[in-house]
Amino acid sequence: AQTVTQSQPEMSVQEAETVTLSCTYDTSESDYYLFWYKQPPSRQMILVIRQEAYKQQNATENRFSVNFQKAAKSFSLKISDSQLGDAAMYFCAYRGRDDKIIFGKGTRLHILP
Amino acid sequence: DAGVIQSPRHEVTEMGQEVTLRCKPISGHDYLFWYRQTMMRGLELLIYFNNNVPIDDSGMPEDRFSAKMPNASFSTLKIQPSEPRDSAVYFCASSLAGLTTDTQYFGPGTRLTVL
Repeated sequence: AQTVTQSQPEMSVQEAETVTLSCTYDTSESDYYLFWYKQPPSRQMILVIRQEAYKQQNATENRFSVNFQKAAKSFSLKISDSQLGDAAMYFCAYRGRDDKIIFGKGTRLHILP
Repeated sequence: DAGVIQSPRHEVTEMGQEVTLRCKPISGHDYLFWYRQTMMRGLELLIYFNNNVPIDDSGMPEDRFSAKMPNASFSTLKIQPSEPRDSAVYFCASSLAGLTTDTQYFGPGTRLTVL
């Protein structure tokens, strides 16, 4: 069965600095999607970025980018120029051929002014 | 597009009562997912539908939980009878296509408290 592991329960970063959130996963599939979701205090789940496993190029969305290492089964999220509004819980997620999404336990990100 | 709509946003009920959570997916989306989020267990998939048909309900914790999707624009998650351990935030999500081809869009969630 697939698993998603986020080893950092909490992280802090100074405003305007860069922070990287880690995620590793385990799967025997070759075709899958990976996602990072943000959950602010409002509890809404917001898609931040997604990566197709067959693409070698790392996905980028404005200040958010990923480092996708397929062989190492690693999928980290980098947030550049951190802003106060980035403070939230971040979930790494895997979606395989059975359409289920498996979420990690989350990393709570604090932004220090 | 209004996004995924869930109601109610908050529900407080007493143990033993029936609870019904509602979801309206994004128009045109073929897949609908129900999740439960708790501090202890994180985010868990309960059940999902494709074209209104339940595909996998292996995440449904007990027979007290049931879900229906009578049409493409409406789904319900029912708990009968409710118990305090059912207290959680319940999310509904929808996506345009399955088989790893698309992203799930989440509703705002329903915070359920069972006293």
